[in-house]
Amino acid sequence: RKEVEQDPGPFNVPEGATVAFNCTYSNSASQSFFWYRQDCRKEPKLLMSVYSSGNEDGRFTAQLNRASQYISLLIRDSKLSDSATYLCVVPLTGANNLFFGTGTRLTVIP
Amino acid sequence: GAGVSQSPRYKVAKRGQDVALRCDPISGHVSLFWYQQALGQGPEFLTYFQNEAQLDKSGLPSDRFFAERPEGSVSTLKIQRTQQEDSAVYLCASSLSPQWEQYFGPGTRLTVT
Repeated sequence: RKEVEQDPGPFNVPEGATVAFNCTYSNSASQSFFWYRQDCRKEPKLLMSVYSSGNEDGRFTAQLNRASQYISLLIRDSKLSDSATYLCVVPLTGANNLFFGTGTRLTVIP
Repeated sequence: GAGVSQSPRYKVAKRGQDVALRCDPISGHVSLFWYQQALGQGPEFLTYFQNEAQLDKSGLPSDRFFAERPEGSVSTLKIQRTQQEDSAVYLCASSLSPQWEQYFGPGTRLTVT
């Protein structure tokens, strides 16, 4: 099983829609989690950090379910500018690096 | 403040050439990471430095790949005798701690012909 797994999509949603992505991770000891956003031909940029049960920032909500070992990202009222690839990232306890999912591609359609 | 910078942004190398990729991390960030990202994939870990010490190089794909950070700041990733399969974007990231958020540079897009 991969360390981090995401549905690659693509997700094509209309403007204003609510969309959710899930990400599962294999190491139950992981304590922190991140969602990064990556635009085409650009570097990943940190979107949200999750250290406890969840985090909310405007239209974006991240939730953590430790029992089932998944993290979700919810985007409300989608904007055209939300079109990007969303990467789920999990540092492994005791490891020195982040494990990235392959990313979920979102396209918001006018 | 200044973010992570990388140079060159684009590099075309003929197969068999050596290349050197540079990363300037955010000032004060002790942790520095190199990743390789192939088209359509998430970044894959290559190596990690804490200050000048290379603590993890388990992701380097072969002994043709070598990284250094001699003064605990700027880092160089060197690829010797480049092969076509080395074509990818090489991302550098830095952070205050390996378990904290990492901040990425713009990457170097390497194309081996």
